[in-house]
Amino acid sequence: DAKTTQPPSMDCAEGRAANLPCNHSTISGNEYVYWYRQIHSQGPQYIIHGLKNNETNEMASLIITEDRKSSTLILPHATLRDTAVYYCIVNNAGNMLTFGGGTRLMVKP
Amino acid sequence: GAVVSQHPSRVICKSGTSVKIECRSLDFQATTMFWYRQFPKKSLMLMATSNEGSKATYEQGVEKDKFLINHASLTLSTLTVTSAHPEDSSFYICSARGEFIGGDQETQYFGPGTRLLVL
Repeated sequence: DAKTTQPPSMDCAEGRAANLPCNHSTISGNEYVYWYRQIHSQGPQYIIHGLKNNETNEMASLIITEDRKSSTLILPHATLRDTAVYYCIVNNAGNMLTFGGGTRLMVKP
Repeated sequence: GAVVSQHPSRVICKSGTSVKIECRSLDFQATTMFWYRQFPKKSLMLMATSNEGSKATYEQGVEKDKFLINHASLTLSTLTVTSAHPEDSSFYICSARGEFIGGDQETQYFGPGTRLLVL
């Protein structure tokens, strides 16, 4: 599975949009981009995933560049409860997930 | 949909004893379940993959005789840590994937985790 690169930490003001970047320059054609988050002392929570097109659900939006070498997870109105470690994972659908270091998002009042 | 539960949420045991952790998919049939371990301030590390009715596939470096995995039904997998020692103290998390209405069968959904402390 392709490796991903994420900034180790980010801050965001409460109520503002949080834009979390992810680089996956070695992604192959049949690999999906998955986003999970882990709030302290809990199991990871699925957020969203996509292959080529941008995706949106009730939690977030996923923007994938046309060359698929990077993506951005957007939390449109961050709240304090969105403080967590966000993991960007690239893999073939159904394969095991390999977790990297993720981005620690701190939402501040 | 796609709720995964784990039991117990935390357990403290004496060194040398065995501990069983249950992972259940509550509203879907999990064809595949995964077991992860997470040490403090570290990322999740996959321990093993189990398919219903088959033997689990363990990752390199994970002792299959120490971490016994059973996936006897489409909604239940168990992880037994045998002869636990203090270095086995960790956060154990399961995930599951399978078919359910309104979802895709490839996305993994995680349980809340079980915190094990071996004294």
